[in-house]
Amino acid sequence: SAVISQKPSRDICQRGTSLTIQCQVDSQVTMMFWYRQQPGQSLTLIATANQGSEATYESGFVIDKFPISRPNLTFSTLTVSNMSPEDSSIYLCSVDIEGGGFGEKLFFGSGTQLSVL
Amino acid sequence: AQSVTQLDSQVPVFEEAPVELRCNYSSSVSVYLFWYVQYPNQGLQLLLKYLSGSTLVKGINGFEAEFNKSQTSFHLRKPSVHISDTAEYFCAVSGGFKTIFGAGTRLFVKA
Repeated sequence: SAVISQKPSRDICQRGTSLTIQCQVDSQVTMMFWYRQQPGQSLTLIATANQGSEATYESGFVIDKFPISRPNLTFSTLTVSNMSPEDSSIYLCSVDIEGGGFGEKLFFGSGTQLSVL
Repeated sequence: AQSVTQLDSQVPVFEEAPVELRCNYSSSVSVYLFWYVQYPNQGLQLLLKYLSGSTLVKGINGFEAEFNKSQTSFHLRKPSVHISDTAEYFCAVSGGFKTIFGAGTRLFVKA
């Protein structure tokens, strides 16, 4: 299994500001993912962040809005830039400890609940 | 590319009744299939998964699901539900190095 720590657990931010969310894993993993879960909605994949390469963004998400860092095999950050109320959501870090890309061992952090005023 | 469709957004059911939550998927590559549960104010928890082998897979809390390749379905079932099964259930498909989730089905078990 994997233990994933996300910081902060929640935050209330002003419109136009940026927030960086940290994700720390207790073991080395190749594949990390960032998801968003808007109120009452399902999880939407924002991007895949593999160490040693640029993050791969899903349709509708761009690097300028959601820059991601992946400096090593246990850590990643997601920044939500120039926030608006529409960015209010839970942001989840996830890792696939098998690394095969088929999600057999997918673990999720506890999430960061973001409210933008 | 993969996609997942959960056919019911809400399923109300009485306690001790059987329930089926429906999930259909599409993919151009081989996939693995999952059901996750999210209890109120909690994180995601894996219920069960289909990777290969027997098409009927059993998970935690008495849930099971059947993979049907010809119908591209992976419906979740439980023969007798409890109040404590009230939660959001997400079907997910993995392949091509990412996991995609369905919109979710809210199961509401009534006494």
